[in-house]
Amino acid sequence: NAGVMQNPRHLVRRRGQEARLRCSPMKGHSHVYWYRQLPEEGLKFMVYLQKENIIDESGMPKERFSAEFPKEGPSILRIQQVVRGDSAAYFCASSPMTGASYEQYFGPGTRLTVT
Amino acid sequence: DQQVKQNSPSLSVQEGRISILNCDYTNSMFDYFLWYKKYPAEGPTFLISISSIKDKNEDGRFTVFLNKSAKHLSLHIVPSQPGDSAVYFCAEYQAGTALIFGKGTTLSVSS
Repeated sequence: NAGVMQNPRHLVRRRGQEARLRCSPMKGHSHVYWYRQLPEEGLKFMVYLQKENIIDESGMPKERFSAEFPKEGPSILRIQQVVRGDSAAYFCASSPMTGASYEQYFGPGTRLTVT
Repeated sequence: DQQVKQNSPSLSVQEGRISILNCDYTNSMFDYFLWYKKYPAEGPTFLISISSIKDKNEDGRFTVFLNKSAKHLSLHIVPSQPGDSAVYFCAEYQAGTALIFGKGTTLSVSS
């Protein structure tokens, strides 16, 4: 299965710890998007990356959150000093380099629980 | 302030009947609208899209209608099947930006 992969699927962190979420896009895809879904809400855009570049981070909180998509390896969403309000499902999507980037393929998500 | 609104949190339909899911939007500067389907503990999967220059797109049992004057679109599923039970999100796409999602509508199809 060459779909979008995310790990871990479930992550439990205590307040103040760091969370690292990983996303491997589909083969041949060089665009990666991160979305967050809070309970009873739709998915909210956080950040859009291409290899080694952040294209749009307008949806990402200014503090504690960062994202990268290195030349080699998965994209990483990093949350420092987590708080209870960070508890959510985090979804990664990828799209191909050519063609319309509305064709986004989603991974299964990482469910982060902050205790 | 939501740009994409799905005002019905849930919808229940009998197997074989039509399911109609609705979505309203405020931003007219879009290129595509898309519908995604999501099962619990899974990521959303793309279902069907419609370009801003069309008013209808059909794919098998799924048809999306776009009414630009009313800023409204709808997804019709005919006939509905129990396997269609899921959360359905409409999403707006504008070139160069990410998808903007509604809050979703939970569809339950009973046999």
